[in-house]
Amino acid sequence: NAGVMQNPRHLVRRRGQEARLRCSPMKGHSHVYWYRQLPEEGLKFMVYLQKENIIDESGMPKERFSAEFPKEGPSILRIQQVVRGDSAAYFCASSPTGASGTDTQYFGPGTRLTVL
Amino acid sequence: DQQVKQNSPSLSVQEGRISILNCDYTNSMFDYFLWYKKYPAEGPTFLISISSIKDKNEDGRFTVFLNKSAKHLSLHIVPSQPGDSAVYFCAASAGGFKTIFGAGTRLFVKA
Repeated sequence: NAGVMQNPRHLVRRRGQEARLRCSPMKGHSHVYWYRQLPEEGLKFMVYLQKENIIDESGMPKERFSAEFPKEGPSILRIQQVVRGDSAAYFCASSPTGASGTDTQYFGPGTRLTVL
Repeated sequence: DQQVKQNSPSLSVQEGRISILNCDYTNSMFDYFLWYKKYPAEGPTFLISISSIKDKNEDGRFTVFLNKSAKHLSLHIVPSQPGDSAVYFCAASAGGFKTIFGAGTRLFVKA
């Protein structure tokens, strides 16, 4: 049973370009979470999605950031017109039921985004 | 507003001794707490959790203690091993879907 997969592992973009980060949850998991980790900081919740639905996006910046989890295919975190402050490690996690509080989230290896 | 705080950025312990990692929280609505371990260039891995109805949960060398009145939890690792060297994140949730993570404590276990 493969774990959570994220690609690419490393992504370099110039200011103003778009970044697309992909996350394939564990088999049987239909709930996906995205987190951002800035250097020397903890993980910051961004968004929680189920298939075709955004459940909670309260941690995601209102502009330039969007996320989706289509019926088929991986979850995508999209950052438009990237700026240097977007440089961070972005982690995806998945869980089987999404019954938060008692539902363990399993994390992928992360995508390290560097904006030049 | 940092709802989950890990005030010690790092901790150094001798192999075989006990490691105690601390975590404080401010939101009294938190009802579930977790510890994750993270190695460099990897994602966090779940270690142990505790519900607010309990004050202790044990799993092998790892024990988590919860003091609700003090809004404090701690992770005890005994005996500590060099392979335990990693960053440990405390996390909490309040029955909603958002899990709040602390900034992490880097544990060094010296052989």
